[in-house]
Amino acid sequence: GAVVSQHPSWVICKSGTSVKIECRSLDFQATTMFWYRQFPKQSLMLMATSNEGSKATYEQGVEKDKFLINHASLTLSTLTVTSAHPEDSSFYICSARDPARATEAFFGQGTRLTVV
Amino acid sequence: GENVEQHPSTLSVQEGDSAVIKCTYSDSASNYFPWYKQELGKRPQLIIDIRSNVGEKKDQRIAVTLNKTAKHFSLHITETQPEDSAVYFCAASEWYSSASKIIFGSGTRLSIRP
Repeated sequence: GAVVSQHPSWVICKSGTSVKIECRSLDFQATTMFWYRQFPKQSLMLMATSNEGSKATYEQGVEKDKFLINHASLTLSTLTVTSAHPEDSSFYICSARDPARATEAFFGQGTRLTVV
Repeated sequence: GENVEQHPSTLSVQEGDSAVIKCTYSDSASNYFPWYKQELGKRPQLIIDIRSNVGEKKDQRIAVTLNKTAKHFSLHITETQPEDSAVYFCAASEWYSSASKIIFGSGTRLSIRP
C-alpha cells in the first residue's frame, strides 16, 4: 500500500530555535498533503493544507509565519516550526492521499516535538 | 467548514460485550467517513470506512452505520477483546478527492475490562 514517511520521529530543541519536519510520499505523487497537530489526549487538529507549487492554506487560528510549509516537489512537504516555544511541544503528523485511488489517507509516523 | 462531533469521550466495556461510538457531521458535502484506531504515540490506523451511498458496512467484528439524512454515523465493535483498547476517531471527508481535508472527531478512549 501507499506509504507516507515522516522525519524525524522525535526532536528536542531549545526555545527560540527552529525545527524542520519532513513528510514524504514514497510510492505516489502527492499534490496535496495535510499537516496535523495532536496535543496529549486530544484529537488530530488540521493545521494546514500543503499544495505543491503554491502557498499552503492554513486553518483558522494557525499562524502561517510561525509554521512555515514548503511543498516544492510532488513527494515532499516540510513543516518548519519557527522560534519554537514550550507551548509548541506536540505530536505533529502529516497525511496524504494517493490521487490514483484517493480514498484512504496515509499518515506519516508522526514527530514528537519537545521544546525546552 | 466541516465539524465532526464524537461521543462518548471515554467508554469502558466488559470483554466480550459490544461497544458503540457515535459521530455527527455538519457539512453535506462530506461523503466519506473513515474510522481510525490510534495507539499511544503512533499514527492513526484505518479500521473501516463508509461512503454515503451505503448505509452499513461490516468487516468481521467491526461495523459502521450511516444515516445521511440525520448526518449521523456510528462504529460498532462486537465481541470486544483486550486488544481493542485504544483511542478511536471518526472522521469526515470527500470520497475520491486527494485534495479534500479529513476532519477528525474528538476521539473516544475505549477500555476493555477483563
